[in-house]
Amino acid sequence: GAGVSQTPSNKVTEKGKYVELRCDPISGHTALYWYRQSLGQGPEFLIYFQGTGAADDSGLPNDRFFAVRPEGSVSTLKIQRTERGDSAVYLCASSFLDGYEQYFGPGTRLTVT
Amino acid sequence: AQTVTQSQPEMSVQEAETVTLSCTYDTSESDYYLFWYKQPPSRQMILVIRQEAYKQQNATENRFSVNFQKAAKSFSLKISDSQLGDAAMYFCAYRSAREAGANSKLTFGKGITLSVRP
Repeated sequence: GAGVSQTPSNKVTEKGKYVELRCDPISGHTALYWYRQSLGQGPEFLIYFQGTGAADDSGLPNDRFFAVRPEGSVSTLKIQRTERGDSAVYLCASSFLDGYEQYFGPGTRLTVT
Repeated sequence: AQTVTQSQPEMSVQEAETVTLSCTYDTSESDYYLFWYKQPPSRQMILVIRQEAYKQQNATENRFSVNFQKAAKSFSLKISDSQLGDAAMYFCAYRSAREAGANSKLTFGKGITLSVRP
């Protein structure tokens, strides 16, 4: 079946602009995660959804970052007033609620110029 | 908070040889999962192998096996009969085994770049 998909694959934006990154999880997966991977580093947790609600948003770096999952499926990560330090690969993963394995998408590479 | 340390930034192995990638972690929990993920240039993270902390037996998946030393908080990955397709970044990751939910997030190490020489 289809895996986790993320769009766009690459996004270049100017400093100060607003961006939206989309994640389409595997059908039936109620848990959804966002991670951020800076160059040469491992992914860092941002936010976790159980269904429609954010169960843990402790990894969001500041209030410029926000994520939604209104229908419990597709999720959008929103970044306001982008800064050059936001440049990274944003990874999305999904899993069954009690599943141990998280399935990752190919990520969105965000470049802020 | 849990931490995962991968102190080797790069390793190289000859095709068909065996290589071991090191990982240590720190936690106060007794029940957890440990994982090795592979990330090729395509960026897609692929699960290689997992280990449940309550199991004493080391996990094995074909050419991949782990050496899990719970007391030492060590979790190394051994790749046997290395192939050109094994070249990638490898990440060690930790996840709490407490109830699903906020504890389900993965904590990753910095990763190690593995190259395979033909």
